Amino acid sequence: DVKVTQSSRYLVKRTGEKVFLECVQDMDHENMFWYRQDPGLGLRLIYFSYDVKMKEKGDIPEGYSVSREKKERFSLILESASTNQTSMYLCASSAPGTSGVETQYFGPGTRLLVL
Amino acid sequence: GDSVTQMEGPVTLSEEAFLTINCTYTATGYPSLFWYVQYPGEGLQLLLKATKADDKGSNKGFEATYRKETTSFHLEKGSVQVSDSAVYFCALAAGSNYKLTFGKGTLLTVNP
Repeated sequence: DVKVTQSSRYLVKRTGEKVFLECVQDMDHENMFWYRQDPGLGLRLIYFSYDVKMKEKGDIPEGYSVSREKKERFSLILESASTNQTSMYLCASSAPGTSGVETQYFGPGTRLLVL
Repeated sequence: GDSVTQMEGPVTLSEEAFLTINCTYTATGYPSLFWYVQYPGEGLQLLLKATKADDKGSNKGFEATYRKETTSFHLEKGSVQVSDSAVYFCALAAGSNYKLTFGKGTLLTVNP
């Protein structure tokens, strides 16, 4: 089974702190994604990566950066956490399917509270 | 740009009732369509998908048919169970297929 793990289920941080969220997948997938999930807004894509050291901005990249030094690991960085970044963060990975359609596999999520 | 609209929740049903969750989309080209499910405290799991018009995706008793003429992908199940209580997300992938565009999610609660 595909497994996507996230370093923490719950995090509490203070405004202005630098926050690292880690995601690891064990299926040698090329593509990895970071989303945030907020009530009434669904999932919104922050950043994605289609190869090691490659990244592209999603729909809401402001206030975030990412790092992908190894294929299996994709990190989301909040340079200076703010209260409006309190959210559920979901990591996902995918690889091209036989029909060219990619299924994304999700981790359990990290619920971040910024005080 | 691409967008997905799904019915507002929450939806509350009794066990064995019929379920429909509506989903319509706007996209350029010919998108692939997905339903994902999120059980309490967990990440999202793929429930079913369809890659071209008139395809029917099915899994665990759930079905959805890709209707190009109405740009819809409604989720149905004939008899829901308490264990189906979850948030359901409709999504599409268009163009590069790297990215998914999600609807806002529909919370389903099934009572015994």
